[in-house]
Amino acid sequence: EPEVTQTPSHQVTQMGQEVILRCVPISNHLYFYWYRQILGQKVEFLVSFYNNEISEKSEIFDDQFSVERPDGSNFTLKIRSTKLEDSAMYFCASREGVWNQPQHFGDGTRLSIL
Amino acid sequence: DQQVKQNSPSLSVQEGRISILNCDYTNSMFDYFLWYKKYPAEGPTFLISISSIKDKNEDGRFTVFLNKSAKHLSLHIVPSQPGDSAVYFCAAVVGKLTFGTGTRLTIIP
Repeated sequence: EPEVTQTPSHQVTQMGQEVILRCVPISNHLYFYWYRQILGQKVEFLVSFYNNEISEKSEIFDDQFSVERPDGSNFTLKIRSTKLEDSAMYFCASREGVWNQPQHFGDGTRLSIL
Repeated sequence: DQQVKQNSPSLSVQEGRISILNCDYTNSMFDYFLWYKKYPAEGPTFLISISSIKDKNEDGRFTVFLNKSAKHLSLHIVPSQPGDSAVYFCAAVVGKLTFGTGTRLTIIP
C-alpha cells in the first residue's frame, strides 16, 4: 500500500540553526500538510499546500517557517532559525483530492533543539 | 482551542468485548470526521471516517456513529483484540484537520 515517507526520523539541531524536514507524499495525492505534536500535547495543524501554494496556515506557522515542493515528489518544511520550543514530532500528510478523502500520515520526524 | 474533545484519556476493555471511544466537537462547520489510531513512534493511521450527511459508517469491526444535534462522535470496536491497544484520535475537518487529545485504549487479554 502506498505510504507517506519522512526523513530523517530524528533530527538534532543547535538552537538558531536552520533545519529542513523532508517528506515524500503518496504519488497521486494533490494536497499536502504539515502537523506537529509537542510532547504530551495534541497534534496541531501547521500548513496546507495545494497547486504549488499555501492554502491555509496556522498561527504557529510564522515567518520562520516555509514549505516547498521543489520537484514532483518531495515536500519540505524549513525552519530558518530554530528555537527550543520547536522541539516536537513533525508529521507530513497528504490527501488524494476530493474533500471527503482521509489524510494519510508519515511516521514523523522527531526534532530536538539543543 | 478545544473544538474537538476526547474526555477520556484512557480506557481498558476485556478482549472480545466492545470498546466505545467518544468525541465531542463544538464547531458546526465541521463536515467530515475521522478516527485515527496511533502506535508509539509511528504516525497516525487512518481507521474510518464519516461525512456530516450520514449518521453511521461501518467497516469490519469498526463502526463510527455521528450525532449532529449533540455534536458527538463515537467509535465502536467489536470484538476488541489485543492489537487494538493504541492511542485513538478523533479528528474533524473544515479544510484542515483538528484533532482531539486522544484516548489510550488498552485491551486486556
